[in-house]
Amino acid sequence: DAGVIQSPRHEVTEMGQEVTLRCKPISGHNSLFWYRQTMMRGLELLIYFNNNVPIDDSGMPEDRFSAKMPNASFSTLKIQPSEPRDSAVYFCASRPSLGTSGSTSTGELFFGEGSRLTVL
Amino acid sequence: GQSLEQPSEVTAVEGAIVQINCTYQTSGFYGLSWYQQHDGGAPTFLSYNALDGLEETGRFSSFLSRSDSYGYLLLQELQMKDSASYFCAVRDQGNTPLVFGKGTRLSVIA
Repeated sequence: DAGVIQSPRHEVTEMGQEVTLRCKPISGHNSLFWYRQTMMRGLELLIYFNNNVPIDDSGMPEDRFSAKMPNASFSTLKIQPSEPRDSAVYFCASRPSLGTSGSTSTGELFFGEGSRLTVL
Repeated sequence: GQSLEQPSEVTAVEGAIVQINCTYQTSGFYGLSWYQQHDGGAPTFLSYNALDGLEETGRFSSFLSRSDSYGYLLLQELQMKDSASYFCAVRDQGNTPLVFGKGTRLSVIA
């Protein structure tokens, strides 16, 4: 399997521009997560989907951020307009659904290589 | 909500043993995980503890005490390639996301 695929790997843009990050989860994984990593705040959960449905977007910092999952093999995270404080590494991760009650699974998350965003 | 505490940095000598501690506060608890991340790379899964006790995988072991809300990652026979950041993470229910600690940066020196 190819693993979780993210694009672009690096993005440099100017303040005010729209940024779209893309993610292809591992086939068969029906939970998808977007995390943001910075030195100051570590790995923060932005939003996650189960079976293409957004479950919790309380981590999305502002209305400038939006995420979609139109089908089981594709998700986007969009920032419009971008600001310098959005500079970070954005990770997408996937895993099989664990069910809502009782699971002996480790819950292992499979991360993509990340998209490093720099907003000037 | 959940919060996790782990040391920010640890330095150890090649060939030695190092222990990285993690304490957590969660409303519910469904297991403690450990992830490794090399500079510029993605976090990768190392271990998972749902029950009290020690889990061993090669040079790495992980321990959990649910009553103390405490766990640790033990790395033995340290190698230079073990220099990385190590994150503990918890989930509070069966299918909820992982919440990560801030990470411990391990430097292995000769």
